[in-house]
Amino acid sequence: GENVEQHPSTLSVQEGDSAVIKCTYSDSASNYFPWYKQELGKGPQLIIDIRSNVGEKKDQRIAVTLNKTAKHFSLHITETQPEDSAVYFCAAGALDAGTASKLTFGTGTRLQVTL
Amino acid sequence: NAGVTQTPKFQVLKTGQSMTLQCAQDMNHEYMSWYRQDPGMGLRLIHYSVGAGITDQGEVPNGYNVSRSTTEDFPLRLLSAAPSQTSVYFCASNDGSAGSTEAFFGQGTRLTVV
Repeated sequence: GENVEQHPSTLSVQEGDSAVIKCTYSDSASNYFPWYKQELGKGPQLIIDIRSNVGEKKDQRIAVTLNKTAKHFSLHITETQPEDSAVYFCAAGALDAGTASKLTFGTGTRLQVTL
Repeated sequence: NAGVTQTPKFQVLKTGQSMTLQCAQDMNHEYMSWYRQDPGMGLRLIHYSVGAGITDQGEVPNGYNVSRSTTEDFPLRLLSAAPSQTSVYFCASNDGSAGSTEAFFGQGTRLTVV
């Protein structure tokens, strides 16, 4: 089955700096890679996703890059703000019926943005 | 607009007791799933369903049963709780239509088995 590794487990940055979280996956059949943000006491919420037919996707301060050959993908947050503090999860799955029901998640990165 | 609703939010069980974690969604989504979240292990898939009457096992199904009699509801049953089932449980749904990939998660149920 799929195995997703995520690094680092904790990340502390100063407000305004950039943050990068990296994930690797093992199953070449995976072609859908979402990123979720989880705030304290809440369920994960999708913030951005990428499919294997593109190498990069941006949404305001958030971007995700994908290297299919190396089987790794990364989340980039620029101009970090205190409200970016949360736990971030990467995930991988195959885009077929019910794909979001069968995601394999990384172990999470706790991001802390300090003033 | 409730989204995915899980009940209860907190529960303490004694070893050997049974209980059902409830999950309901009001978005008419075909696909629903249950995950457990443990420290340092991310979210792991327990069971999932691609429609009413259809369920399948995920990565960690042992000790859990599910059924899907309606589109809206996807309860998770613990038949005989064990301390190893102490975890936070999340239910998720997505509509499964072509191009729709976002999974919506509930707020979670924190279960402690003593």
